Amino acid sequence: GNSVTQMEGPVTLSEEAFLTINCTYTATGYPSLFWYVQYPGEGLQLLLKATKADDKGSNKGFEATYRKETTSFHLEKGSVQVSDSAVYFCALSDDYKLSFGAGTTVTVRA
Amino acid sequence: EAGVTQFPSHSVIEKGQTVTLRCDPISGHDNLYWYRRVMGKEIKFLLHFVKESKQDESGMPNNRFLAERTGGTYSTLKVQPAELEDSGVYFCASSRQGGPDTQYFGPGTRLTVL
Repeated sequence: GNSVTQMEGPVTLSEEAFLTINCTYTATGYPSLFWYVQYPGEGLQLLLKATKADDKGSNKGFEATYRKETTSFHLEKGSVQVSDSAVYFCALSDDYKLSFGAGTTVTVRA
Repeated sequence: EAGVTQFPSHSVIEKGQTVTLRCDPISGHDNLYWYRRVMGKEIKFLLHFVKESKQDESGMPNNRFLAERTGGTYSTLKVQPAELEDSGVYFCASSRQGGPDTQYFGPGTRLTVL
């Protein structure tokens, strides 16, 4: 079946550092790929998505590129802020059903 | 536009008791989903409604779990009787269309079974 593997956390960074969270997937067909974020005390929010190979999703300074050849969708941000502290989930869509990774907790220190 | 709401935000019950979680989707969203995250692991799909009909309940762990969506608006998820392994965060999501349409999530209900 479809599955998502993302790097384990927690990840602790200083402000303005570069952030990468690795995500790889196993899927039949051509799923859409997503990054969701959960800020403290809030629900899951869609951060960005890509629907086909080589698409790049971007939002709030975050980027991820759908790489079919490496089955990856790594999340990157060039300069993180304290407000980026959250749990990040990589996910793929199996038609209507989302399959998530285990989540990566990111803490950014001032 | 109001987002997806869930009630309660937290619930602490003893093993063997019954708990009912509620989800109110975004108005006009026919598709409603339940997911849960157990022990800080991955978020797993439980089931999918289209209006009041269950389209897929393949993720429901066992028959102690019962989901309903009478009238095609809000949904409830009942756990009866609750077991220790049911502890986790239960998320509800809704979307206007099915397929890979963006799903909007609620804040979740944290369930603790003692």
